[in-house]
Formats: sequence, C-alpha cells, structure tokens
Amino acid sequence: LAKTTQPISMDSYEGQEVNITCSHNNIATNDYITWYQQFPSQGPRFIIQGYKTKVTNEVASLFIPADRKSSTLSLPRVSLSDTAVYYCLVGLGPFRTNAGKSTFGDGTTLTVKP
Amino acid sequence: NAGVTQTPKFRVLKTGQSMTLLCAQDMNHEYMYWYRQDPGMGLRLIHYSVGEGTTAKGEVPDGYNVSRLKKQNFLLGLESAAPSQTSVYFCASTFQGSPYEQYFGPGTRLTVT
Repeated sequence: LAKTTQPISMDSYEGQEVNITCSHNNIATNDYITWYQQFPSQGPRFIIQGYKTKVTNEVASLFIPADRKSSTLSLPRVSLSDTAVYYCLVGLGPFRTNAGKSTFGDGTTLTVKP
Repeated sequence: NAGVTQTPKFRVLKTGQSMTLLCAQDMNHEYMYWYRQDPGMGLRLIHYSVGEGTTAKGEVPDGYNVSRLKKQNFLLGLESAAPSQTSVYFCASTFQGSPYEQYFGPGTRLTVT
C-alpha cells in the first residue's frame, strides 16, 4: 500500500481557493488517487478520483503531476460549510483484487473562517 | 432509496458483553466494508466482503467477526467487548472493488466500559 502524507491542518477564509497536497512517493503503476470529505459525526463522502493529469467535477479539481508522487485537491471559493477533514487515499484501483486495501490515514482538517 | 443504514446508532456495553452491528444497503452493491474510527484519527478497515457469502480480513480484524449471508446486509460481531473497542463504526459499500465511490453509513457510536 502506498503511504500518504498530508498536512494535519489548514486554515482558510471564505471565498478563497484552497489547495491540499498529498504526498505518495511509492505509488504503484495501477494505483488511483481518491479524495474523501468527512464532516463531524458523519461518514466520509467521496469527492473526486483520478489517475493522472487533471480531473474536475462540480465540487473540486484534482491535479496529478506526471511522476504521480503527489496530488493536489483544489477547492474553489470555499465557504464555512467546507470545514471538514479531507482524506487522500492511494492504491485503490478498479480491480477486484484491490478490495479491502483501504487506508484513510489521519487526513487534513480544513477550517474555513468568515 | 435509503442508501447505507446502520443499526444501532449508539450503544454502551460492559466489558465481556457481545453485540452485533447491522449494516444494510439498498443499492445492490457487491462490496461492503466495516471501518472503525477512533477520536481524531482516520478510518481503519476491520473486515470487508466482495460478495454474498464471502468475507476477508482488513487492517484491524482482531476481536471482530463478520457475516454476509445476504447481499444487502453485512454484520459485524463483537464476541467479548473490550474497552479498546470503544470507537465509531462505519459501514460502507461500493459497486467495485475500489472506493471509486464508497457510500458510507451514518455510523454507530460504541462505548465499552
């Protein structure tokens, strides 16, 4: 399993763009990168997943450089409701043999201030 | 469509007691997972299932057993609860063997005294 490293916490202000970087130096060829969001007292919620380059959806963008040893989750114009813990997961490609290889790590606590 | 539901939401056990946590999903998902989350920490995988009648160990399986007799249900059992098992337990399911989109339940908060 690829080990991931994320900042423990980040602060931002409403309306700003937030970038959270995850390091995964030993990512394998078939590994995908997935990000989840978790609010207090709730289960995590899928945000975005990618393999390389850039992926964008209605919530966030995911930037993955060519060497894939890191990835950056970008949240545009955050609001107070984006205050949550964000988890980066690596090593979970769409193969049956990868089932059960889930490691969430401790995540990044993002606090958005007014 | 209720998604993933968990029963009960809260429970207090005494050391040595047993209990079963129930997870149910109505999305016809093949794969189901049980995680635990201790305060201020990430989720750790306890057991998982890739289909009806199959189960496998995750990262922290000791002290737990599971069963997947029906595709929509995944049961987590504690035979002899210990204070170290005080945690929040989350169930999740997905179509595929990877968390392309794992759908999580609301969690069960368990306290063992």
